[in-house]
Amino acid sequence: GAGVSQSPSNKVTEKGKDVELRCDPISGHTALYWYRQSLGQGLEFLIYFQGNSAPDKSGLPSDRFSAERTGGSVSTLTIQRTQQEDSAVYLCASSLEPISAHEQYFGPGTRLTVT
Amino acid sequence: KQEVTQIPAALSVPEGENLVLNCSFTDSAIYNLQWFRQDPGKGLTSLLLIQSSQREQTSGRLNASLDKSSGRSTLYIAASQPGDSATYLCAPPSRGSSNTGKLIFGQGTTLQVKP
Repeated sequence: GAGVSQSPSNKVTEKGKDVELRCDPISGHTALYWYRQSLGQGLEFLIYFQGNSAPDKSGLPSDRFSAERTGGSVSTLTIQRTQQEDSAVYLCASSLEPISAHEQYFGPGTRLTVT
Repeated sequence: KQEVTQIPAALSVPEGENLVLNCSFTDSAIYNLQWFRQDPGKGLTSLLLIQSSQREQTSGRLNASLDKSSGRSTLYIAASQPGDSATYLCAPPSRGSSNTGKLIFGQGTTLQVKP
């Protein structure tokens, strides 16, 4: 079946602009995660959704970052007033529950470049 | 706080060799551990998920072991092929994440298999 999809695959934006990144999880996966991969920091957790609620937002680096999920499916990660340090690959993953018994499946990522 | 170390950071071997990738983690109170591979410019592909109750998990030429008490996991690749060239990442969940499943990643082992 279809895997996790993300759009856009690449995004170049000017410093100070807002960007939206989209994730379509595998159908039926109620758990959804956002991670960020950058050269200096490796792979870092950002936020976890269970259904439409986000019980763990502990990885969001600042209040410029927010995310939502609607209909228990699509999720959008929004970065306001982008900074150069936001440049990274943003990865989305989804999983069945209980999460302790299931793998996380990752999308191809969105490469964000802030100029 | 869960911390993950992978050794070696890089490995170059001739085709056909059997090899072992090592992963150590600081918090042994995990319920599973996942191994991934990442090809350059791509997302993560799940290879194996080992539950805490298991000691080994096999998929084709891959065998992963888990020793929770010592905080170690190994990924064994048999009869390596050039197509195995990629970065391999191990990811246990973070401490106290039984309700979130957020993964903590090591820096990975970059493998090159020469024809």
